Amino acid sequence: GAVVSQHPSRVICKSGTSVKIECRSLDFQATTMFWYRQFPKQSLMLMATSNEGSKATYEQGVEKDKFLINHASLTLSTLTVTSAHPEDSSFYICSARVQRSGYGYTFGSGTRLTVV
Amino acid sequence: GNSVTQMEGPVTLSEEAFLTINCTYTATGYPSLFWYVQYPGEGLQLLLKATKADDKGSNKGFEATYRKETTSFHLEKGSVQVSDSAVYFCALSEGGSQGNLIFGKGTKLSVKP
Repeated sequence: GAVVSQHPSRVICKSGTSVKIECRSLDFQATTMFWYRQFPKQSLMLMATSNEGSKATYEQGVEKDKFLINHASLTLSTLTVTSAHPEDSSFYICSARVQRSGYGYTFGSGTRLTVV
Repeated sequence: GNSVTQMEGPVTLSEEAFLTINCTYTATGYPSLFWYVQYPGEGLQLLLKATKADDKGSNKGFEATYRKETTSFHLEKGSVQVSDSAVYFCALSEGGSQGNLIFGKGTKLSVKP
């Protein structure tokens, strides 16, 4: 149980276009979703925290107008990379806190974004 | 601020070798500590956790003990298998309903037959 489905797993887009990444909680309600970015040989860096029905909280240095997060329902959160540039190429992972298991966090399988 | 430092990889071992991946942390309070594993092409999975000092987390033959005096949470396994090849992340959470995870950089483990 407590599965987060993340799509797409890989995407290649042209510079200047926008890409949407979706994370769905399949068998639980994700009131809070975390979005991370992972650079090669680096740790997962928290980008933002989204709560269902309210605005996302962004970490320092993350451009909120570039990385749009929507958490309109208890089962779906989306991250849209707007006007993508090659430096946005990275691995993006979502995570949800699973309330019923106390301290559980479940992760999506990640999205490899390549901007050309 | 809070941070996690874990040993640099990659680590390459032969099957049945002993594994240690070091992890130390810096935190202002009393965090919970975690080890996550990321198999190729998959998302992160919780491997084990410990929520207070001297707790030992264990799963699938892996163990880690929460050492407050040395601020460490080293991951160990007595006999690794090829299927253990993955990236391992140490993480902490300051806890409570508002806590989020802070990760180390990850350590890639490759186990050769």
